[in-house]
Order: sequence, then C-alpha cells, then structure tokens
Amino acid sequence: EVQLVESGGGLVKPGGSLRLSCAASGFTFSSYSMNWVRQAPGKGLEWVSSISSSSSYIYYADSVKGRFTISRDNAKNSLYLQMNSLRAEDTAVYYCARGRRWLTAAFDIWGQGTMVTVSS
Amino acid sequence: QSALTQPASVSGSPGQSITISCTGTSSDVGGYNYVSWYQQHPGKAPKLMIYEVSNRPSGVPDRFSGSKSGNTASLTISGLQAEDEADYYCSSYTSSSTVVFGGGTKLTVL
Repeated sequence: EVQLVESGGGLVKPGGSLRLSCAASGFTFSSYSMNWVRQAPGKGLEWVSSISSSSSYIYYADSVKGRFTISRDNAKNSLYLQMNSLRAEDTAVYYCARGRRWLTAAFDIWGQGTMVTVSS
Repeated sequence: QSALTQPASVSGSPGQSITISCTGTSSDVGGYNYVSWYQQHPGKAPKLMIYEVSNRPSGVPDRFSGSKSGNTASLTISGLQAEDEADYYCSSYTSSSTVVFGGGTKLTVL
C-alpha cells in the first residue's frame, strides 16, 4: 500500500524549533519529488516547500524562507522539515505529499498530517 | 504570491451539476497547464481529483471534470451526490517555481 506517515509535531514556544519527518512506503521514494503543505486551523491549504527526487532543486514559500529547511534521505525513504524561529502563525497541520510530476502542482499521495502548535 | 480566488461556497441538489471557479493570473493559472483540484472532507487529508487542468487520477469518478480559459480554471461536478459535500481547493504552478492554492470552496449538497 502506498503510504506517507508524518511525525514530529507538537507544542513549541515562539522562537523554538521542531523537526518533522515523513516516512514513505509502497512506492519507489527516490523517483518522486516531495512536498510539505500546511493548513492552519479552520483555514485553507498553503504550500510550504518542494524538493526534487535527487534533492537538486528546492523551493520554499516566502512565508517560511530562511526559517524552514526541507531535506530527504532516499536510503531511508524519508522526508524532513526542519522548522526554526517558529511563530504563532506557523501553527497548522503539516502534510507531506508526493508530487505526481516535478513542478506541476499535482500532489497525488498525502499523509494524515501532524499538528504543530506554536504558543507560549 | 497571492492565493488563487475561489468562491467561498457553492451548493446544489443531488443529481444537479455545479461549477467551481479558480481565478489567478498569467503568472500562474493562465501561464501553465498545471492546475490541480483537491477534495477535502472534514478532518481528512486532501485528495487529488484533477491534475494538469483536466486529467483524472485513477479511481476518480468521471462526474468530475476540469477546464481552463485564460486565467480562470473550473471544476465541474455533474450528477451531484451526497458524498461530494466537502471543501475543494485548486492549485497552480507559478512562474516563480512555487505552488499556490486557492482559498477553498465549501460545497453543500442540499
């Protein structure tokens, strides 16, 4: 079964850091681009970052640029999001999603999401 | 990058057809045939319904169709069913090599 499972969410104070992980199974992870998308409580979807299959290309939303770092380990079938200098507005459910094709904005497999709460 | 513009809500009766619009600019929707549509039920992850403007992934009913004209993309659902009640989001690739989503549309099946 094709599956993505996120972990690492939780409660963190403003200015703090958190590292999210996404474990992939059921498909050849190294052949696909991967993405992080977030959804604040009661709000819409917001794209966060994309990474190409070989990590050669990485893109970020302006709202997280300089604070978040996306990475992947193809040997471990895992995607990561290092989040630093967290702000209250980063509070959201964070989804990892598989890119159907690189840079086509089509995300065909999604994880169940992990909640990140930034609050003092 | 501003979010794509979608109506906040649409509604229809079972069996009817509805259309949800998604308006962007020439730097996103109008510039590329890379518009996708997602369905999201409460508390669930989004599900890809349409990719590259008008293509359906395997398993998505052919009641769902997509199109584009200029800077506006559209999702049409024909033969509305109760289980279609959900939030719908469009997304597009942009000229900055980023992705932008629409604000979302709540579909109510009356």
